[in-house]
Amino acid sequence: EAAVTQSPRNKVTVTGGNVTLSCRQTNSHNYMYWYRQDTGHGLRLIHYSYGAGNLQIGDVPDGYKATRTTQEDFFLLLELASPSQTSLYFCASSDGTGGGAEQFFGPGTRLTVL
Amino acid sequence: GDSVTQTEGQVTVSESKSLIINCTYSATSIGYPNLFWYVRYPGEGLQLLLKVITAGQKGSSRGFEATYNKEATSFHLQKASVQESDSAVYYCALSEPPGGNYKPTFGKGTSLVVHP
Repeated sequence: EAAVTQSPRNKVTVTGGNVTLSCRQTNSHNYMYWYRQDTGHGLRLIHYSYGAGNLQIGDVPDGYKATRTTQEDFFLLLELASPSQTSLYFCASSDGTGGGAEQFFGPGTRLTVL
Repeated sequence: GDSVTQTEGQVTVSESKSLIINCTYSATSIGYPNLFWYVRYPGEGLQLLLKVITAGQKGSSRGFEATYNKEATSFHLQKASVQESDSAVYYCALSEPPGGNYKPTFGKGTSLVVHP
C-alpha cells in the first residue's frame, strides 16, 4: 500500500533555530510536495519536486529550503526559524500523470517556534 | 494564477441531514483543470475523497457526490444524509491538465461538524 511518512511528528524550537523536516515515500512516485496548513489560509504549497535533485518553487517559499536527495526522500529546511513558521506541515507524493493524479499525504508534522 | 474558493470556516449539520459544501475555481490553463475533493480526519493526513477530470462528469464516493460544472466553474460537494463519522475537514483542489502549469491549488478547507 502507498505510504508517506514524516518525521518528527512534533517539533518545538526557538526563534533562530535550525530545523529539518523529513519525508519519505515508498510509492515510487516522481512528484513530492511540502505544504503548510494554517487556519484561515488552508493548504499552501511551499516547494515541490519531480525527481531526485530537482526543486520547484511553490507559492510560499520564503524562509524555506528543500532538497530531494533520492526519489524516496524530500527534506524541508528552516535555517533561521521564526514564530511565523509555526504551523502544521504536510508532505505528499504523486505520480504526476497528466495532472489528474491523486496526491498521497503523510500524517503531518506540527512545528512550534517559540 | 489558479485559485479555489470554498465554503469558509465551520459547517454544522445534524446527523441524517443533507450537506452541501460550495467550491468554485479559476484556472489559467487553456484546457479544463482536474478537480478533487480531499478529506482530513483528526490526527491524519489528507486523503482523496473523489476526483473528476472530465468536464460535465460526476464523481462519487462514500455517499458524497460532486459534479464538474465548467460553465459555472463549480465543483460543489453534496451528501444526502451525513453521519457523525463524516466530521472532518474537506478541501477542494485543482490541478492543471497536461501541458499546463502542474502545480496543485487547494481551497482553505471547510470543517464539517455533524451532531448526533
